[in-house]
Amino acid sequence: KAGVTQTPRYLIKTRGQQVTLSCSPISGHRSVSWYQQTPGQGLQFLFEYFSETQRNKGNFPGRFSGRQFSNSRSEMNVSTLELGDSALYLCASSLLAGGAYEQYFGPGTRLTVT
Amino acid sequence: LAKTTQPISMDSYEGQEVNITCSHNNIATNDYITWYQQFPSQGPRFIIQGYKTKVTNEVASLFIPADRKSSTLSLPRVSLSDTAVYYCLVGENSGYSTLTFGKGTMLLVSP
Repeated sequence: KAGVTQTPRYLIKTRGQQVTLSCSPISGHRSVSWYQQTPGQGLQFLFEYFSETQRNKGNFPGRFSGRQFSNSRSEMNVSTLELGDSALYLCASSLLAGGAYEQYFGPGTRLTVT
Repeated sequence: LAKTTQPISMDSYEGQEVNITCSHNNIATNDYITWYQQFPSQGPRFIIQGYKTKVTNEVASLFIPADRKSSTLSLPRVSLSDTAVYYCLVGENSGYSTLTFGKGTMLLVSP
């Protein structure tokens, strides 16, 4: 069974630009969550989607948004990039929504904002 | 969400058993205890989950006392490849709960 895939794996953007990251969950998984990981703040929850609906949202500004398609694939968008948005963005999928269900993480997208 | 406290770092040697304890004093009745492992520049990987007593799989054991206010992840006979960050999380299997990762425990295994 194929794992969670994320594209692109690496990305360099400049301040003020916007970026879209993509996540393909494991086949059959309907829940997709997004996390931001930085050395200073650790792993922080961004949002979770289940059956195309946002179920939960972390404490991030409105510049961070996401969506989920009918095939469970998900995208997250960051507008007006800031230097502090440089991070590893991780996507995780699970069979059902809910924090305690086993989550399968992708390899991440390394975003660098210059 | 129940908060967890675990050591920032631990050192061990190859072949030893490692026990990482996590404190979660305000764990709720419906909460499960889950441990994840993360290697540098990779996403976390599920290790084990439990609700009470003891759970064992091919990778680790999880010990949970009766009051459930703490839990211990036990890694038998660690190898260099077990060097990673280990996260203890507490949460319920409801559709609106989320995973809250703390700082985790950095385990360094030396030869």
